[in-house]
Amino acid sequence: KAGVTQTPRYLIKTRGQQVTLSCSPISGHRSVSWYQQTPGQGLQFLFEYFSETQRNKGNFPGRFSGRQFSNSRSEMNVSTLELGDSALYLCASSSGSGSRRNNEQFFGPGTRLTVL
Amino acid sequence: GQNIDQPTEMTATEGAIVQINCTYQTSGFNGLFWYQQHAGEAPTFLSYNVLDGLEEKGRFSSFLSRSKGYSYLLLKELQMKDSASYLCAVRGITGGYNKLIFGAGTRLAVHP
Repeated sequence: KAGVTQTPRYLIKTRGQQVTLSCSPISGHRSVSWYQQTPGQGLQFLFEYFSETQRNKGNFPGRFSGRQFSNSRSEMNVSTLELGDSALYLCASSSGSGSRRNNEQFFGPGTRLTVL
Repeated sequence: GQNIDQPTEMTATEGAIVQINCTYQTSGFNGLFWYQQHAGEAPTFLSYNVLDGLEEKGRFSSFLSRSKGYSYLLLKELQMKDSASYLCAVRGITGGYNKLIFGAGTRLAVHP
């Protein structure tokens, strides 16, 4: 079974630009969560999509948005980039069944975004 | 609010045992996870606790005390490859099953 894939792996943008990151979950997984990881703040939850609907949202500004397609692939968009948006963006997939079991999340390798 | 604390760095010797602590404060509790993350790689799942007590999985064990808001990850027979960051994450009752709140991580360095 293929793992979670993210594209691109590395990206360099300048302030004010926008960026779109892509995540393909494990086959059969319907939930995709996005996280931002920075050395100072650690891993912070951005949002979760399940069956094409945003199910949960973290405390990030509206410049951060996402969507999910019918095949469960998800995209994340950041508009009007700021220097502080430089980070590793990780997506994680899970079955999202809603069971009260562990519902383990499997992480992708991440997209490292650098904003100059 | 929600807050998760774990030590920033730890060092240990190959073959030894190390315990990484995690304390948390959340508005409701619905499970605690430990992840391992090697430099430049994605986090990988290590353990999950939702009830008090010890969960053992090979060389790794994880303990939870919900009344104390406390967990630890125990690594036995340390190997050089265990040098990594260890992330403690908590799932609250509100926000759904996939909204994990992570601690900043503990960087473990294993020396020969």
